[in-house]
Formats: sequence, structure tokens, C-alpha cells
Amino acid sequence: DAGVTQSPTHLIKTRGQQVTLRCSPKSGHDTVSWYQQALGQGPQFIFQYYEEEERQRGNFPDRFSGHQFPNYSSELNVNALLLGDSALYLCASSSSAGNQPQHFGDGTRLSIL
Amino acid sequence: QKEVEQDPGPLSVPEGAIVSLNCTYSNSAFQYFMWYRQYSRKGPELLMYTYSSGNKEDGRFTAQVDKSSKYISLFIRDSQPSDSATYLCATDFNFNKFYFGSGTKLNVKP
Repeated sequence: DAGVTQSPTHLIKTRGQQVTLRCSPKSGHDTVSWYQQALGQGPQFIFQYYEEEERQRGNFPDRFSGHQFPNYSSELNVNALLLGDSALYLCASSSSAGNQPQHFGDGTRLSIL
Repeated sequence: QKEVEQDPGPLSVPEGAIVSLNCTYSNSAFQYFMWYRQYSRKGPELLMYTYSSGNKEDGRFTAQVDKSSKYISLFIRDSQPSDSATYLCATDFNFNKFYFGSGTKLNVKP
């Protein structure tokens, strides 16, 4: 049973560029959330997708956008990259059926030069 | 004020010790409380979760929630070198938007 998978594992970009990160949820999960984890910090909630729509959003600018596909996989897009966007980006999935906590992937480490 | 406060450590203990990890939170409406373990270069791994106040035990791990004082604890008995990791507490209203502490780095020395 595959868990949450994310790609790529590591990415290097320069300021001003755009990036797309991908996530496949755990089998049986239909809800995907994205988090940003800066070095030495806990994950910060970016947004959550359910039924292909953004359901909740944290305190992130609209440079951060996302998408969920009919197969429940998801993408995180970040435009106009800043040095401060360097972080580990984590995807978490959960099931809308019943109250269960989220399961995380191993993340994509994004480095901005 | 951050929603969840956690002592970053690092915490260094000898093998076999009892470890106590703690967090405080600000919003009394939080209902779900989670502990995640994160190894270096890995994503957070769910250890335990509880609903409302009380204790929950799973093997060497015990999670404790005191809603009256807004205090969350994780106890690890007979700690092992393999327990060395960063431990993250998290809380939420309804499992939709987790609020994480900054994590406590634990080192268990053989």
C-alpha cells in the first residue's frame, strides 16, 4: 500500500522563476493538504484541496496556488520565487470519511538561488 | 502569539531513560492533538493522536492532553537510539488545518 508520494525530491531554482510540485495521496485518501517547512521550524499550512477545490487556506500570498485532479493527486505552484521560499514542501493526505489525521510524504526540498 | 509553542531543545538523554516532550497551545477550541516524529530528510510520521483530554498509550509511547491548562505531552519509556529524531506536536479543530509546534530535537545516546 503506497503512502503519500511527492516529486521531485529536490529542486533548485532562481529568484523570479516558477515551480510546480506534485503529490499523489495515500490509497483511499481524497483530501490533500500542502505545508511549507522552513529549516528548524514546524510545518506551516498552505492550503487544502478536496473535490478539486481549495477548501481552506493559510496565510500565504496568492503566488502560491494549487490544483487537484479527478484522481485526487495534486500540484502546488509557486510563482515569482523569492529566496524566502526555500523550504521543504510537504504534502499530506487524509480521507474525508471519518475523523482521521493526515499522513505526510517525504517532501520536496526547494532551494532558491 | 503562536497557536502552538514547543521547546526546540535539543534534548539529550541516555538510552533507557524516560523522555517527556511538551507543548502548549493557545486556542481552547482545539479538539484533536497529534504527535509526529520526523527523521532527518524525511516527512513527519504520525505517532499518536487523541481527541479532547485524557491519556492514550501505544507501546512505549503515552500521549497526554490537559485541556484545562492547554498542555500536550508525549512520554517515551525505555528510550532507544532509534528514537532520535525531531518530535512535532500538532493540533486542530477538525483534522483540516493542522497547527504545528516548531519541533523538539531528541538525541538518545547509546
